[in-house]
Amino acid sequence: NAGVTQTPKFRILKIGQSMTLQCAQDMNHNYMYWYRQDPGMGLKLIYYSVGAGITDKGEVPNGYNVSRSTTEDFPLRLELAAPSQTSVYFCASSYGRVQQYFGPGTRLTVT
Amino acid sequence: DQQVKQNSPSLSVQEGRISILNCDYTNSMFDYFLWYKKYPAEGPTFLISISSIKDKNEDGRFTVFLNKSAKHLSLHIVPSQPGDSAVYFCAARENTGTASKLTFGTGTRLQVTL
Repeated sequence: NAGVTQTPKFRILKIGQSMTLQCAQDMNHNYMYWYRQDPGMGLKLIYYSVGAGITDKGEVPNGYNVSRSTTEDFPLRLELAAPSQTSVYFCASSYGRVQQYFGPGTRLTVT
Repeated sequence: DQQVKQNSPSLSVQEGRISILNCDYTNSMFDYFLWYKKYPAEGPTFLISISSIKDKNEDGRFTVFLNKSAKHLSLHIVPSQPGDSAVYFCAARENTGTASKLTFGTGTRLQVTL
């Protein structure tokens, strides 16, 4: 099992550009999540999904969109990138409603 | 308003001694608490958890204690090893009936010295 995979590992965007952060899991987990971690801060939930076709907002959803067309994939879309979106992004998945498994992260810089 | 707080940004402990990492919370609706460990350039990995109906959970060198009346939990690592050097995040779950949305603390960087 690869677990949770994320691509790309690093990305530099110019202000106003768009991109999609990819996340995939091979553990057949129903629940998937996107977090961001800013320097010196904890992880904050952006969006989550309880199954294919079902998504909902987390604590900091503004500027992001998600979709969940399959159990395995949960891409995060950034439209009109802003410097405030410079962060490390983590995708996670879970089978039950407690323990989450995290991917290695995508480090995004918007300049 | 930070519902989960880790007030010590860093901690240095000698190899073989006990490491104690602390976490405070404010939300009485949290029903599960977890500790995650994070190495640089990697995602967090689950370490240990405790339900709000328990006051202690042990797994090898790691023990988590929960004091509900004080809204405080702590992670004890005995004995500490150099490989334990990492950032430790405390997280709490509120049982909303949907997915397990976790609220994370800001982390404590543990350095285990030789």
